[in-house]
Amino acid sequence: GAVVSQHPSRVICKSGTSVKIECRSLDFQATTMFWYRQFPKQSLMLMATSNEGSKATYEQGVEKDKFLINHASLTLSTLTVTSAHPEDSSFYICSAYKTGLSYGYTFGSGTRLTVV
Amino acid sequence: QKEVEQNSGPLSVPEGAIASLNCTYSDRGSQSFFWYRQYSGKSPELIMFIYSNGDKEDGRFTAQLNKASQYVSLLIRDSQPSDSATYLCAVITYKLSFGAGTTVTVRA
Repeated sequence: GAVVSQHPSRVICKSGTSVKIECRSLDFQATTMFWYRQFPKQSLMLMATSNEGSKATYEQGVEKDKFLINHASLTLSTLTVTSAHPEDSSFYICSAYKTGLSYGYTFGSGTRLTVV
Repeated sequence: QKEVEQNSGPLSVPEGAIASLNCTYSDRGSQSFFWYRQYSGKSPELIMFIYSNGDKEDGRFTAQLNKASQYVSLLIRDSQPSDSATYLCAVITYKLSFGAGTTVTVRA
């Protein structure tokens, strides 16, 4: 199998605070993980590619100082939304790529972030 | 031009009918194509993947790929109310890029 666990599923935070979201591959090692953001009634937009042991690669327009990504082990990547603002409220989803699987990508269950 | 485009919908079909979803992509070099189903507030789940031109069937689902036309489609036969969801087309370029999704409603 290829299971990705994402926590928390929901979080509400105050404006100006930071929130950390965890993404774990449970039964495989993931050298690469991906972080997506989805606003209501819109599609998933790739924010960044998380590479184990090296810096993340951010998509154009994504602030790397605001969305901190750490991929310190082969099974864990974290996304920290720093100094959160209401416009950061969104559905954040991680994905991991397992080599050998014909379809490759498996998704976490997502985190609903609400900044008040 | 968007990397992946889908007919916006919403698409409403009666129970038992065929739902037809379409997707076009811009990168002619794309090799891998996916259809995901997403229920409201949930993460996407893989329905089908297809790599070769032609049809691929899995139960009530059939994916069709035409690389020359840069077109991929999904047919849902014998549609059920539980099929009501947003269907996302995704294509691998250097990343997994998603279309905006088509919302399908199956009327009982």
